[in-house]
Amino acid sequence: DIVMTQSPDSLAVSLGERATINCRSSQSVLHRPTNNNYLAWYQQKPGQPPKMLIYWASTRKSGVPDRFSGSGSGTDFTLTISSLQTEDVAVYYCQQYHTTPPTFGQGTRVEIQ
Amino acid sequence: EEQLVQSGAEVKKPGESLKISCKASGYRFTTYWIAWVRQMPGKGLEWMGIIYPGDSDTRYSPSFQGQVTISADKSINTVYLQWSSLKASDTAIYYCARHSAYCSGGNCFPAWLDPWGQGTLVTVSS
Repeated sequence: DIVMTQSPDSLAVSLGERATINCRSSQSVLHRPTNNNYLAWYQQKPGQPPKMLIYWASTRKSGVPDRFSGSGSGTDFTLTISSLQTEDVAVYYCQQYHTTPPTFGQGTRVEIQ
Repeated sequence: EEQLVQSGAEVKKPGESLKISCKASGYRFTTYWIAWVRQMPGKGLEWMGIIYPGDSDTRYSPSFQGQVTISADKSINTVYLQWSSLKASDTAIYYCARHSAYCSGGNCFPAWLDPWGQGTLVTVSS
């Protein structure tokens, strides 16, 4: 199985400041024939199911605020929240779908400083 | 609206059996994989397995193979997750979620998960 490792495990950011979450895969999730990275990002707020934010590493789901952006390729990826809002307090997960079984990172908790 | 609605919370004793459900609506049920994902208390997300309701093709993560059974009833747009003998370590929230798919070389594979059901809390305690 591909192992997904996120860093940091938690971070506290001031309102309006940038939050950056990293995700590393144990092997490349880049599909070279299509140049697509098989990676998604999810947000899970307390007491709620996860919600998909980004797929193909950088494609934002319709309706997701544009302060959320995804980047990276191969084995190293980043989710950036450009200006943290109160409603962004959550745990964020990356997930690879290059290989079955799909696997998730351990999660990164984002809080307000 | 595309949505998945799961059955309610369960409290069981070790050794008992259980079947929980996930009912889909708002899309063509037979043409998307449905996954089950476990979240143990205070922990992260674990992909358990998937079913393709169109032909009941089922795949399991090695970690869950033989521990649970995934099934579907396409006449009522419902997917199930069942245990024959629960353990205390099965205590968790179980989510169903629809897989989008990507196709390559004539085959299609599970991709990202969206939407998700609201979750079913299963508590196993003597």
